[in-house]
Amino acid sequence: SAVISQKPSRDICQRGTSLTIQCQVDSQVTMMFWYRQQPGQSLTLIATANQGSEATYESGFVIDKFPISRPNLTFSTLTVSNMSPEDSSIYLCSYWGQGNYGYTFGSGTRLTVV
Amino acid sequence: GDSVTQMEGPVTLSEEAFLTINCTYTATGYPSLFWYVQYPGEGLQLLLKATKADDKGSNKGFEATYRKETTSFHLEKGSVQVSDSAVYFCALSGPQSSYKLIFGSGTRLLVRP
Repeated sequence: SAVISQKPSRDICQRGTSLTIQCQVDSQVTMMFWYRQQPGQSLTLIATANQGSEATYESGFVIDKFPISRPNLTFSTLTVSNMSPEDSSIYLCSYWGQGNYGYTFGSGTRLTVV
Repeated sequence: GDSVTQMEGPVTLSEEAFLTINCTYTATGYPSLFWYVQYPGEGLQLLLKATKADDKGSNKGFEATYRKETTSFHLEKGSVQVSDSAVYFCALSGPQSSYKLIFGSGTRLLVRP
C-alpha cells in the first residue's frame, strides 16, 4: 500500500487562530478521509475529500470550520479554523485506494488549543 | 445505519494470557470488517481484515473470523505480550456506509509482565 505522511505531528495553538494539516500520499489514491479523535474517544469522520469536487462533510461538521482542499490525487489539507479548546484532538488523514480493502492512516496530528 | 459495538475496556491481562475482544456489527448487506490497533502516542495501523463471511483475518498472532450468522468479528490471541498493550478498534466498511470506515468505541488492552 502507498505510504501516507502527515504534518505537523503536533502543535499547540492559541484560541481564535487556524491550523492547516497536510497529508501526502506517495501514489495516486481515489478517496481520502479526515478523522477526528477526541481525547480517549474513538474516531469520527469529518469529511471525505475527493479530487476535483468539494469535500463531503459528515453531520456536525461544516466547511467554514473545517475547510478541506484536494488539489490532486496525492495530497489533501484540512484546516481547523477559529480554534477553541474543544478542538483539541488528534486529527488523522486516511486513504482508500482502488483494490485496497484496508484503509491506511497517517500518523496523526495532535492538536492542543490553549 | 451501520454500526459497530465493542466490549468496553480496559482489559487487563498477564503476559501469555489468552485474549478475546468482542466485536459485533449491524449492517445492511456484506460489509468488510477490520481490526485496527493504536499504540500509545501513535496513529492507527491495520491489524487484520476480512471481506466476506467465514473469512479469517490473521496477523502477528491475532485472529478474527467474520461470522455473518452472529454478526461478529471477535479478536483473539493465544498468548499476549506486554508489547500488545494498545487500543484496539473494530471497524466496518461497505456500500451502505458509502465505503467510509465506521469505528467501534475502542478497547484498551493492558498487558502486565
